[in-house]
Amino acid sequence: AQSVTQLDSQVPVFEEAPVELRCNYSSSVSVYLFWYVQYPNQGLQLLLKYLSGSTLVKSINGFEAEFNKSQTSFHLRKPSVHISDTAEYFCAVTPKGGSSYDKVIFGPGTSLSVIP
Amino acid sequence: NAGVTQTPKFRVLKTGQSMTLLCAQDMNHEYMYWYRQDPGMGLRLIHYSVGEGTTAKGEVPDGYNVSRLKKQNFLLGLESAAPSQTSVYFCASSYGSGILGETQYFGPGTRLLVL
Repeated sequence: AQSVTQLDSQVPVFEEAPVELRCNYSSSVSVYLFWYVQYPNQGLQLLLKYLSGSTLVKSINGFEAEFNKSQTSFHLRKPSVHISDTAEYFCAVTPKGGSSYDKVIFGPGTSLSVIP
Repeated sequence: NAGVTQTPKFRVLKTGQSMTLLCAQDMNHEYMYWYRQDPGMGLRLIHYSVGEGTTAKGEVPDGYNVSRLKKQNFLLGLESAAPSQTSVYFCASSYGSGILGETQYFGPGTRLLVL
């Protein structure tokens, strides 16, 4: 079985400051890793994902995440946040190999609040 | 291309009442899902479908039923609503089974309050 931990439930940060949202997972098998973002009163949308290859993955709006297998982490970072980044961020994992449509495990979420 | 849509957006029920939530997708996806989102708990899978005419139980199926009569629609029913079912419900769909790490596409959610 897999589990996902997001250590910070709320992260306030000033505009233009850097931010890191932490995600750790537990799994006995290899996994795919995802970050989803949920803007206020909207559904979740994919921000970025790690499938294989380079351990550093980037999104189109300046976020990046690095897969660290030894530390079982997939932390999300942005060097300079904007007001529009205020949202809930969910880390998720799904096991590799075989059908996993019913095995996507979401973390509890981190609420990022960007302060002007 | 509307993606994934959900009806209604908000509903208030009394304990014991029934209702149906409708999810529709126009991306020709085979796989569809119903999740509930509760504070501090992330999303939990209620039921899912791997194709037209199929349904299966997820992590928290009790008190809910589903149907997938058409490929583009996935209905979630509450037979006798309870206050514990107060939540935000999200529908999602995906092209593949997840074997290649396929993305799930989410609807905007339905906010349900059971009094």
